[in-house]
Amino acid sequence: DAGVIQSPRHEVTEMGQEVTLRCKPISGHDYLFWYRQTMMRGLELLIYFNNNVPIDDSGMPEDRFSAKMPNASFSTLKIQPSEPRDSAVYFCASSLTGANVLTFGAGSRLTVL
Amino acid sequence: LAKTTQPISMDSYEGQEVNITCSHNNIATNDYITWYQQFPSQGPRFIIQGYKTKVTNEVASLFIPADRKSSTLSLPRVSLSDTAVYYCLVGNVDRGSTLGRLYFGRGTQLTVWP
Repeated sequence: DAGVIQSPRHEVTEMGQEVTLRCKPISGHDYLFWYRQTMMRGLELLIYFNNNVPIDDSGMPEDRFSAKMPNASFSTLKIQPSEPRDSAVYFCASSLTGANVLTFGAGSRLTVL
Repeated sequence: LAKTTQPISMDSYEGQEVNITCSHNNIATNDYITWYQQFPSQGPRFIIQGYKTKVTNEVASLFIPADRKSSTLSLPRVSLSDTAVYYCLVGNVDRGSTLGRLYFGRGTQLTVWP
């Protein structure tokens, strides 16, 4: 298995632009998580899905952030409009019920100018 | 939700054994203790998990006392490549409720020197 695949690996954009980050979880995994990592706040959970259904989105910072999981093999995290304080590394992770282990992707480094 | 407390940083030399202790006073009965390792520019990587007593794999050992309010990750004979951030997590990702919200925190930055 290729693991959790995220794209793009790096994104540089200007304030006000829309940003879409993509994630392909490991095949068969029924949980998908989106995390954000910054120096100041460490690794924070934004939202997670179970069987494509959002379970807990209390970590989503504000309405500018939205996440979808249209099917078991694809999820997106969208920021619209983006702001400089959104600059961070965004990680996607997936897990299988009963495994109690998260497998992370390589991350998407976002820079908003 | 059980949060964890661990040292912000630790230093060691190559060949030494490193023990990182994590405090989790509010651990729930169904919670597991899991440790992850993160290298720069990479996502965290699972290294070991336990429920009670001692667990050992090819990478590390995990010691959990009877009251489960703390745990210690032991890395034998560290090398320069063990320099990374180590996270201690407590939770049960199986639960579809708030217990599924695993808390990573800031982790412990381990630096191994030659």
